Order: sequence, then structure tokens, then C-alpha cells
Amino acid sequence: NAGVTQTPKFQVLKTGQSMTLQCAQDMNHNSMYWYRQDPGMGLRLIYYSASEGTTDKGEVPNGYNVSRLNKREFSLRLESAAPSQTSVYFCASSEGLPGTGGEQFFGPGTRLTVL
Amino acid sequence: SQKIEQNSEALNIQEGKTATLTCNYTNYSPAYLQWYRQDPGRGPVFLLLIRENEKEKRKERLKVTFDTTLKQSLFHITASQPADSATYLCALDEGSSYKLIFGSGTRLLVRP
Repeated sequence: NAGVTQTPKFQVLKTGQSMTLQCAQDMNHNSMYWYRQDPGMGLRLIYYSASEGTTDKGEVPNGYNVSRLNKREFSLRLESAAPSQTSVYFCASSEGLPGTGGEQFFGPGTRLTVL
Repeated sequence: SQKIEQNSEALNIQEGKTATLTCNYTNYSPAYLQWYRQDPGRGPVFLLLIRENEKEKRKERLKVTFDTTLKQSLFHITASQPADSATYLCALDEGSSYKLIFGSGTRLLVRP
């Protein structure tokens, strides 16, 4: 099992460019999440998906869109990147519904720099 | 306002000693709290979960306590080893919105 995989590992964008971060899990988990991690601020939830076909906003959704393509894949899109979106992005998954206490499995992260 | 606080200063201890990390929270009433380990350049890895009706949970050299009156969780690593050096994150459920809220983490350094 690969667990949670993310692509790309690193990305540099110019302000205004768009890109999609890809995430896939092979654990047959129902719930998937996108977080960003900034120094001194901890992980902040951007969006989550409790099941295929459903998505919900997290704490910091502005400037992002997501797609739960199928049970395995959950992508994060930046339509017009801004320097404030420079961060490390983590995808995670859990077996049960959000809020039920299930452990979350994290991917290795994507390090994004917006110039 | 709602806050989760972990000591931002690194905890530096000698190998073999017990490391104790603190997670304090305000204005939350979590049903559970989780602890994760994060190594540099990698994603967090789940360690332990403790529910509000549990005072203490153990797993090998790890022990977590949860005091809902003090609004505090303590995370202990006994007989610490240099391989335990990492950043440790606490996370709790927000309650109504089913979101997991993370603290910013405490870095642990274990000297040989």
C-alpha cells in the first residue's frame, strides 16, 4: 500500500498562474482533507470531503477549489495564485466520517512557492 | 476566542529521561484529542487518541492524559531516545463542525 500520495512534491508559480495539486489514497477511506501548514500556525483545514461527490469548506477556503473525483482522488486547485498561498500543502484521509475521531493519514506534502 | 496552545520553544532533554509536552486549549469542548508526530519534510503521523471520558491512554513508551477541567492534555515519552526527536502536534475536534483543529506543535530534541 502506498497510503496517501501527492503530486507534485515541489512547485514554483508566478502570481496569477493556476495549478492543481493531486492527491490519491489506496486505503478505501471515505473522508479526505486538504490542509496548509505555515510556520507557527499549525495545520489549517482548507476543504474536506466526507464521501465521493461531497465537499465542504474548512477554515481557510478562499482562493481554492476542490474536486472529489472518485473515492480515491481529491484534488485542490488554485485558480489565480497569490504570494499568500505560499505554503506546504498536505492531503490526508480517514476511514470514517470527519469528527468521529478516526486517525488521519497524511501524504508527504507539496511545497508551493508563489512569486 | 478559541485557541490551542503548544509550547513554541523546543524541549531539549537527555536520552533516557521522560519528555513531557503540553497542549492547552480554550473555548473548546472537544470530544477527543489526538497526538501526531511530524518529522522535517514529512507529513504528520498519528500516535494516540484519547476521548473526553478517558483520563489516560498508553501505547508502549507513550502516555497521554486528558483533563477536561484544566482544558489540558499532557503527552509523555518515557526512556526517550534520539530517534524520538521530532515535532509533536496535538489536535482536537471542534465539536459542531466536525473539523480537526491542530496546534502549531512543539519540537522535541533528545540528546545522546
